[in-house]
Amino acid sequence: DTAVSQTPKYLVTQMGNDKSIKCEQNLGHDTMYWYKQDSKKFLKIMFSYNNKELIINETVPNRFSPKSPDKAHLNLHINSLELGDSAVYFCASSRAGVLGEQYFGPGTRLTVT
Amino acid sequence: GNSVTQMEGPVTLSEEAFLTINCTYTATGYPSLFWYVQYPGEGLQLLLKATKADDKGSNKGFEATYRKETTSFHLEKGSVQVSDSAVYFCASPEAGTALIFGKGTTLSVSS
Repeated sequence: DTAVSQTPKYLVTQMGNDKSIKCEQNLGHDTMYWYKQDSKKFLKIMFSYNNKELIINETVPNRFSPKSPDKAHLNLHINSLELGDSAVYFCASSRAGVLGEQYFGPGTRLTVT
Repeated sequence: GNSVTQMEGPVTLSEEAFLTINCTYTATGYPSLFWYVQYPGEGLQLLLKATKADDKGSNKGFEATYRKETTSFHLEKGSVQVSDSAVYFCASPEAGTALIFGKGTTLSVSS
């Protein structure tokens, strides 16, 4: 009965590789997000999708590409991984129009070596 | 745009001590304000919220009052427990529904 799930939980990979993180929510929400949390716990929005349409795209390298096959899924693909991409990535979802009440996944800890 | 500033941590307390974590905001108008909590190894959870000035949000013994005069939303708890050890984030929405977070305050409670 997990509300927002992410896979994998841990991801260790080498520089230059391409990797994907998957996110699924079973809450029936219309809006999904990707956040990045750095080593100092600072959280920053990367992308937001509403009903499969991109609505927020912060200043993120174009190596990062979100894909939403349906409104329950928002995946994050990262090309040519760099050391600075190491972080915890959180997926979240919310109901449309409900400002700020977001449900977060458990996070994916990405380590680039 | 909106911004949220919260006190830097870490905060270290003994069990049953009083907790205050300060949060102030800068915004056009009066946005909703939130406190989220992140327990070790987990994602964030909504702890409490206030949607307008003078609202008080409360949950699990935590309280925060939306004060527009001081543009603040300080988090308080009268008696902390070891299980309250976590990182606490103050947040406000911007650009529609995305959240702007403070830098987080780590709370450690010892028995």
